[in-house]
Amino acid sequence: GDSVTQTEGPVTVSESESLIINCTYSATSIAYPNLFWYVRYPGEGLQLLLKVITAGQKGSSRGFEATYNKETTSFHLQKASVQESDSAVYYCALGGPNAYKVIFGKGTHLHVLP
Amino acid sequence: DPKIIQKPKYLVAVTGSEKILICEQYLGHNAMYWYRQSAKKPLEFMFSYSYQKLMDNQTASSRFQPQSSKKNHLDLQITALKPDDSATYFCASSQEFERLFFGHGTKLSVL
Repeated sequence: GDSVTQTEGPVTVSESESLIINCTYSATSIAYPNLFWYVRYPGEGLQLLLKVITAGQKGSSRGFEATYNKETTSFHLQKASVQESDSAVYYCALGGPNAYKVIFGKGTHLHVLP
Repeated sequence: DPKIIQKPKYLVAVTGSEKILICEQYLGHNAMYWYRQSAKKPLEFMFSYSYQKLMDNQTASSRFQPQSSKKNHLDLQITALKPDDSATYFCASSQEFERLFFGHGTKLSVL
């Protein structure tokens, strides 16, 4: 079936360090997968961070980047220098134009130490 | 102003009872969804609707019944409640199954 696997948390890094949260997907019923990163900041609702719908393309937002790699079925989230305000739960997700649903990974809790 | 309204925010129910979770969206979207998240479990897709028509259903139990009285409403009726149904239930909406916008959730506790 369709599924998303991402780095198990919690992940703790110090401010200004680099970050990578791994995400791999399996899209058996979705012909043209769209890939997403969603984020839930403390006290806020789940919201879209970035989205890529074309293999080989990179998405970016708030200093975060992720590249849609069809060969390795991966969509890792990276940031060169994290800030304390990046502390949140990050979800990798998989959807598609005719999927009628979005499948989420388990979420990765990120703690950034000041 | 919240654009996706879920009511109530918290709900306590006894085993065997029935509850309805309310969701209204004011984003003008044509698709609505229900997701569930239990402690230490992933965000789990339950249902998707488009123009008040069921598009996908990943919930095995018939105790969970979505109800769409208007295009921007998608309520969730849960019957014969069990303690395992305790979770936070999230409503979401999107335009043409693109980016999802989520409500803040209804936290259900079944005693």
